[in-house]
Amino acid sequence: AQSVTQPDIHITVSEGASLELRCNYSYGATPYLFWYVQSPGQGLQLLLKYFSGDTLVQGIKGFEAEFKRSQSSFNLRKPSVHWSDAAEYFCAVFSGGYNKLIFGAGTRLAVHP
Amino acid sequence: ETGVTQTPRHLVMGMTNKKSLKCEQHLGHNAMYWYKQSAKKPLELMFVYNFKEQTENNSVPSRFSPECPNSSHLFLHLHTLQPEDSALYLCASSQDRIEGFNYGYTFGSGTRLTVV
Repeated sequence: AQSVTQPDIHITVSEGASLELRCNYSYGATPYLFWYVQSPGQGLQLLLKYFSGDTLVQGIKGFEAEFKRSQSSFNLRKPSVHWSDAAEYFCAVFSGGYNKLIFGAGTRLAVHP
Repeated sequence: ETGVTQTPRHLVMGMTNKKSLKCEQHLGHNAMYWYKQSAKKPLELMFVYNFKEQTENNSVPSRFSPECPNSSHLFLHLHTLQPEDSALYLCASSQDRIEGFNYGYTFGSGTRLTVV
């Protein structure tokens, strides 16, 4: 069955530091991968998506993610974190056979000044 | 504001109450979804509607009853809920099931439900 694992429940970084959030997926075919962000009291906002082609995808707010098929990973990165990036981040894989988004449990990011 | 509006934002209800959650979008989307978000658990897909037809029910208890009168509105009717049903209920929409695959979903801000 398709699944998404986000190994880190909480991550704390200092403002200006680099960030990497991990995501591993389990899916038999070519995955279609997404990262969403959820600010407190808000719904989910799409950051970026990967379908095919270049394995490094750029998203909004200065985020990027790299698809590595050999590692079944789709890690989210940002070179310099801002305090406003504090939020919860969700990785998701689109299960084409079931036509639905499957989410990981999320990683909560805290940013220290 | 994302274009998907959910009301109410917060709801407290007793186990014997009947209430409804509302979701509205005017994005021209034809697919709408209910998700349940509980603490420390992945988002759980509950129901899917595509062109007003329910296409998926993920083994959701009958105390949750969805309704989709048109492509712009989606309801979740609640009755005799349990405390473990307390969660954030998120509505999402996409152009249709296939375009949701291409472009992802647009989510509302959710309804925070507390069952007492």
